[in-house]
Order: sequence, then structure tokens, then C-alpha cells
Amino acid sequence: GAVVSQHPSRVICKSGTSVKIECRSLDFQATTMFWYRQFPKQSLMLMATSNEGSKATYEQGVEKDKFLINHASLTLSTLTVTSAHPEDSSFYICSASGGAWGNQPQHFGDGTRLSIL
Amino acid sequence: LAKTTQPISMDSYEGQEVNITCSHNNIATNDYITWYQQFPSQGPRFIIQGYKTKVTNEVASLFIPADRKSSTLSLPRVSLSDTAVYYCLVGVQGDMRFGAGTRLTVKP
Repeated sequence: GAVVSQHPSRVICKSGTSVKIECRSLDFQATTMFWYRQFPKQSLMLMATSNEGSKATYEQGVEKDKFLINHASLTLSTLTVTSAHPEDSSFYICSASGGAWGNQPQHFGDGTRLSIL
Repeated sequence: LAKTTQPISMDSYEGQEVNITCSHNNIATNDYITWYQQFPSQGPRFIIQGYKTKVTNEVASLFIPADRKSSTLSLPRVSLSDTAVYYCLVGVQGDMRFGAGTRLTVKP
């Protein structure tokens, strides 16, 4: 149980392109979803937290107009990197949690490797 | 927000028991302790979660002393496939941050 599917697994595109990444909870309802980015040999850095039907809460330093998050249902959240540039190249990972309290662990997707040429 | 401190790296050999300790001196009353495993180019995978004392599942045990200022993840009889980065997270949902993690290397 607790499977999170992330798609696509890899994207290579030209600078200026907008890229959408989907995150789905397959067998549970995700009240909260999280988006992270990870650079090589570094830890995960939280970008934003989203609750179904609400606007996402972005971490300090993360541009909300650059990284658009939509959490339209209890099983789907999307991250759109708008007008992507080479510095946006990274490993993006989503996670989902089914509970409102601390004892509901996050379950992670397998990540999306984004490469901007 | 409770900050966590773990060893940067650890080496072990196949078949040994591995214990990774995480310090979290300013853990709050409502905080849970959760451990994740991450392989290269994959998302973290949930290992175990606890609040106090000892928790055991099919893959690991988690030991938490009474003061909860630290926790120890115990992996029994590791294999080469356990080579990964292990993260200790402390907090409540929506208010957790990943630390640097511990890079475990299991040697034959």
C-alpha cells in the first residue's frame, strides 16, 4: 500500500519551455502533498506544501510564479516549472501523506530528472 | 523546528548489524521520528517511525530513549543492497526538514 506515482521520470527540454510534473497517490487519499528538489549528492530541499483545494505554501526563496503547484484532488498534485532555464535542472520529488497529524509518514514518488538545455 | 544531526557516512560489512544514531536535542512534545532510505535517482522510501521506546518492523528497529533527544535506527544483518543514504526526520507532518543524512556503504 501507500504508492505514489510520479510522471514523467525524466524530461529533457530547451530553455524557455514550461514543464509539468504529475504526482498521484494510487491507493490512498493524500490530504497533503509536498514537492522537493535535490541536487547531486545533496539532501532533499522542501519547495512547497499543498493541501487539496488550497493554495500551496512555498518555502522561503522558492518563487511561486516560477514553480506553479496545483492540488486539485485528493490524489493528484502537479508542479509546473514555467519558462525553465538551465539552473532549474534538478531532481524533483513529490511526496504525499494521508493524515493530518504527525504520525502519518510521507510516501515518496520516484522523482523526475529535469534537464534544461 | 527540530534540527537533526547524523554521521555523514558509515561503512559496514555484509551480515553485520548496523546502528545509525540521530541527535535531535530540541525535539518537541508532538514530534515523531521517522527514518527514510534513499537510493540514487529514486525517491526516499519509508523505513520506520516512532514516538518513544522501541518500534520494530520487518526491516528495522528504532530505539528511542526516554528523553527522546536521540534515536537509533538498527538494521539487522545488512546486505550489499542496503547501501544507501539514510535520513532521520523529526517533526509533525508538514513541518519536517531533511538533514544531510548518513551514507551507508556495505562491503562484501
